[in-house]
Amino acid sequence: EDQVTQSPEALRLQEGESSSLNCSYTVSGLRGLFWYRQDPGKGPEFLFTLYSAGEEKEKERLKATLTKKESFLHITAPKPEDSATYLCAVPDSNSGYALNFGKGTSLLVTP
Amino acid sequence: DGGITQSPKYLFRKEGQNVTLSCEQNLNHDAMYWYRQDPGQGLRLIYYSQIVNDFQKGDIAEGYSVSREKKESFPLTVTSAQKNPTAFYLCASRRGPVAGEDTQYFGPGTRLTVL
Repeated sequence: EDQVTQSPEALRLQEGESSSLNCSYTVSGLRGLFWYRQDPGKGPEFLFTLYSAGEEKEKERLKATLTKKESFLHITAPKPEDSATYLCAVPDSNSGYALNFGKGTSLLVTP
Repeated sequence: DGGITQSPKYLFRKEGQNVTLSCEQNLNHDAMYWYRQDPGQGLRLIYYSQIVNDFQKGDIAEGYSVSREKKESFPLTVTSAQKNPTAFYLCASRRGPVAGEDTQYFGPGTRLTVL
């Protein structure tokens, strides 16, 4: 069974303090790993898709990387507006490519 | 402005009542999905549809029903058989199984509360 595990569950950073979020997965035949950002009371907002080990993608202060077993979301010099829950997910080919989500990492960046 | 809309934003249900959540997309996507989100849990799949007039049960379909009569619309009915319906409901769509176009986009969600 495909599984996605995210760590830590919660992370508190000072503004400017860089860190990484982890997403480990077990899936046969990866068809992409997806990162989303979710603000309270809102739908997830798409950030990145990674398809193969070694691939990296960047957007502002965020950089996502992928290995054969896990993905990292690196946050460089975060700002308070980066506070959100970050979700990773992998598609399930047995369910019309619906996404199997991890439980998320809740990030709080304080001034 | 292309996207996915869900209505209402907040919905209150009395015991024994059926309620319907609306999901509309103007992205011309073939596939649509319904997920349920509870505090401390990941999103869980309720139903999905890959083409019009066809849909399949997800992991937690009991107590829910859907229809897909139009490409743009995928309404979810929460029936009285769903014993614990209080949750945040998210609709998503995806263009289809084409390489590089697998991204799912989400609507803003509907928060359902049982009174």
